[in-house]
Amino acid sequence: NAGVMQNPRHLVRRRGQEARLRCSPMKGHSHVYWYRQLPEEGLKFMVYLQKENIIDESGMPKERFSAEFPKEGPSILRIQQVVRGDSAAYFCASSPPGRGGQNIQYFGAGTRLSVL
Amino acid sequence: AQSVTQLDSQVPVFEEAPVELRCNYSSSVSVYLFWYVQYPNQGLQLLLKYLSGSTLVKGINGFEAEFNKSQTSFHLRKPSVHISDTAEYFCAVSFLYGGSQGNLIFGKGTKLSVKP
Repeated sequence: NAGVMQNPRHLVRRRGQEARLRCSPMKGHSHVYWYRQLPEEGLKFMVYLQKENIIDESGMPKERFSAEFPKEGPSILRIQQVVRGDSAAYFCASSPPGRGGQNIQYFGAGTRLSVL
Repeated sequence: AQSVTQLDSQVPVFEEAPVELRCNYSSSVSVYLFWYVQYPNQGLQLLLKYLSGSTLVKGINGFEAEFNKSQTSFHLRKPSVHISDTAEYFCAVSFLYGGSQGNLIFGKGTKLSVKP
């Protein structure tokens, strides 16, 4: 049973380009969460999605960032017109269906985004 | 507002010594509590969790933690550490109720360094 798969593991972009980060949840998991980890900081929640629905996007920056989790395929975190401050590790987690708070979240290995 | 505080950013310890990593949280509602471990350039791995029941919970790799509701703490302990325990440890909470029940709030992490 494969774990949470994220790709790419490393992504380099120049300022102004777009970054697309992909996350395939564990088999049977219908909830996906995205977190961002800045240097010397813990993980900060960005967005919580279920299939075709955004449940909570309270942690997403208001501009340039968007996320989706389509009926088929991986979840995508999209960052438009990247800036140096977007450089960070982005982690995806998934959990099985059920009550949100007690669901164990399983994390992928992350995508490390570097903006030049 | 809910928050998680890890009081020690770095903890150096000698091999086979005991260790305690401290975690305090602030919340006006009931919480679930978690400890995760992150090895360099990897994702987060769940060490242990408190959902309900006994306040002393045992996890993987010989770690345990005790939930203290009156002190709003969830300290992580191991009686004898190994070199392989060198990693960063994150305390996290999620909530039983409310719109944010899907996401985890993380502390800033504690870097455990085990020396021979």
